[in-house]
Order: sequence, then structure tokens, then C-alpha cells
Amino acid sequence: SQTIHQWPATLVQPVGSPLSLECTVEGTSNPNLYWYRQAAGRGLQLLFYSVGIGQISSEVPQNLSASRPQDRQFILSSKKLLLSDSGFYLCACGGQTLRVQYFGPGTRLTVT
Amino acid sequence: EDKVVQSPLSLVVHEGDTVTLNCSYEVTNFRSLLWYKQEKKAPTFLFMLTSSGIEKKSGRLSSILDKKELFSILNITATQTGDSAIYLCAVEADSGAGSYQLTFGKGTKLSVIP
Repeated sequence: SQTIHQWPATLVQPVGSPLSLECTVEGTSNPNLYWYRQAAGRGLQLLFYSVGIGQISSEVPQNLSASRPQDRQFILSSKKLLLSDSGFYLCACGGQTLRVQYFGPGTRLTVT
Repeated sequence: EDKVVQSPLSLVVHEGDTVTLNCSYEVTNFRSLLWYKQEKKAPTFLFMLTSSGIEKKSGRLSSILDKKELFSILNITATQTGDSAIYLCAVEADSGAGSYQLTFGKGTKLSVIP
């Protein structure tokens, strides 16, 4: 079964600073990968998904970007963080045969 | 726009009570409905439902889907303090290009007091 790693676990960053969150997956190949954000009172919001290396689809226009440089690596980035970027960021793994999405442990980001 | 609505948003019960959590949805290209349990960190998968009227069961938890009325319920019998969590309902839709997207409700926060 797949294992999803995310780091860092928690992060406090000032407004205007850059961001890089990493997600790696073990135990599966060619997965669909997803980035979600969970903000208080808003539920889980899909930010990006990827069906393969270099293929990124964005669901919500914003100052975040995602990249998938390797099959089992998914990166969420920002050049300049906003206060509204605070939240709990979750990476998930799913696929055509693995239709259930399984979640990584998450990164709690606080922008100050 | 796909929409998933959960009710109630929060619920406080005593140990031993039975609870029913509700999830209604409006989704294009529906494929399945999923329930997750979220404690401190990442949501953990509970059930995937694809067919109407067939109950899925795991211990004290059970769930059923009604595709005609577009809703699902999650039942928890003989609740325990360890059931305290946020329960998330998500609906899977086929977005094409080999990707299956989940739309989540806001969750029901269940608190079980001794």
C-alpha cells in the first residue's frame, strides 16, 4: 500500500516570503497527485492535481503554483506568501485503479 | 458547480448514543461518494459508496447511499470518545483526462463526551 510523506509538518512564514512544500509517495507508481488546503470553516479545497510528470491542473487561481518533477514527487510553491495562504495543506494520492484518495500527514502553514 | 452539503455541522453526544450524519450533493458526472474521518491531522478513509441502497459496514460504523435523492448517511452506533472527530463527505466526479476529483463538504464535527 502507498505511503505519503509531507514536510515540513509545521511552518511559520512572514508575509511576502517564498514557500516550498514537498510531497513524496511510496508504494505506487504513476499515481494521480493532489494538493488541498483546509482553512477553518471552509472544508477541503482542491488546489492542484497532476496525472503525470510535468502535468499540472489548477483549480483555483491564486499566488500558488505546483510542479511534479518526478513520478512520485509533488511540490507546492509560492513566490510571495499572503496572510490568506495560512491553512493546513494536504497532499493526496489516488489514481485510475486506486480511486480512493489517501492523504499525507499535512503541513500546517501560518503566515504572519 | 459541484456541491456537497453536510449536516449537522457539529454534534455533541454522550458515550453509547447512536448518531446519524448527513450528506447531500449536486455533482456532474457522479462516480462515488466517500466518507473520511479526520482527527488531528490527515483524513483517513472510511467508506466508498457507488451503488444505491447497499449498506457498507465496518464495526459500529455503517453508511448507505441514495442516488435518486442524492444523499448519504453515516451511522455510528454505541459511540465512544474515540469517535470524536470531523467526518468528511466527499463526492467523486469524473473530470476526464484520467483524473477523478473529489468535492468535499465542510464536515460534521462530532464530540462524544463520557
